[in-house]
Amino acid sequence: EPEVTQTPSHQVTQMGQEVILRCVPISNHLYFYWYRQILGQKVEFLVSFYNNEISEKSEIFDDQFSVERPDGSNFTLKIRSTKLEDSAMYFCASSEEGTSNSPLHFGNGTRLTVT
Amino acid sequence: AQSVTQLGSHVSVSEGALVLLRCNYSSSVPPYLFWYVQYPNQGLQLLLKYTTGATLVKGINGFEAEFKKSETSFHLTKPSAHMSDAAEYFCAVSDRFTGGGNKLTFGTGTQLKVEL
Repeated sequence: EPEVTQTPSHQVTQMGQEVILRCVPISNHLYFYWYRQILGQKVEFLVSFYNNEISEKSEIFDDQFSVERPDGSNFTLKIRSTKLEDSAMYFCASSEEGTSNSPLHFGNGTRLTVT
Repeated sequence: AQSVTQLGSHVSVSEGALVLLRCNYSSSVPPYLFWYVQYPNQGLQLLLKYTTGATLVKGINGFEAEFKKSETSFHLTKPSAHMSDAAEYFCAVSDRFTGGGNKLTFGTGTQLKVEL
């Protein structure tokens, strides 16, 4: 069964550094997402992306965050200047359709630790 | 704004016993409802979803959930727990009337432990 893959599985970075989290969504999916889960807290929506544009973003997704689909397969999340509070598990997801009942397929996540 | 409440951050059952994981939602109109499961070191996997029609929905691995509008609930059940069911379970909702992607609002999760 096709799956969403994320790299790296763990990323440690120093405060103030830029970090790029990478994802390869399922090949025939058209909608892409990033969610994050701070330890002990809820999984939170960050951003959705379709047709090379952001469809929707949450309040968390400020100017420090950006997303990009640099080629036909990768989908990246960049954090320009990391803060301690960015430490979390980041999940990439994709869906075939953009309707709100379309199931999301999640990757295994990247655990980001900011020191 | 939508919200999801999962009662019990940890639930422990014996193997073969009934599993009941509770989920209540708050929304101005009934949303779409989902249950996801997360096994250790893995991503979230869809168990089942309710959109329209029959209020009792069946999912993978023998799980089912019933949408009760009057109680704003979507509890997850399984008649007989298996050791392999040990995982974290997340209830989630999405707004029926938005497009441009499926923005999910998650509950805090329930860690299910299955004991011999």
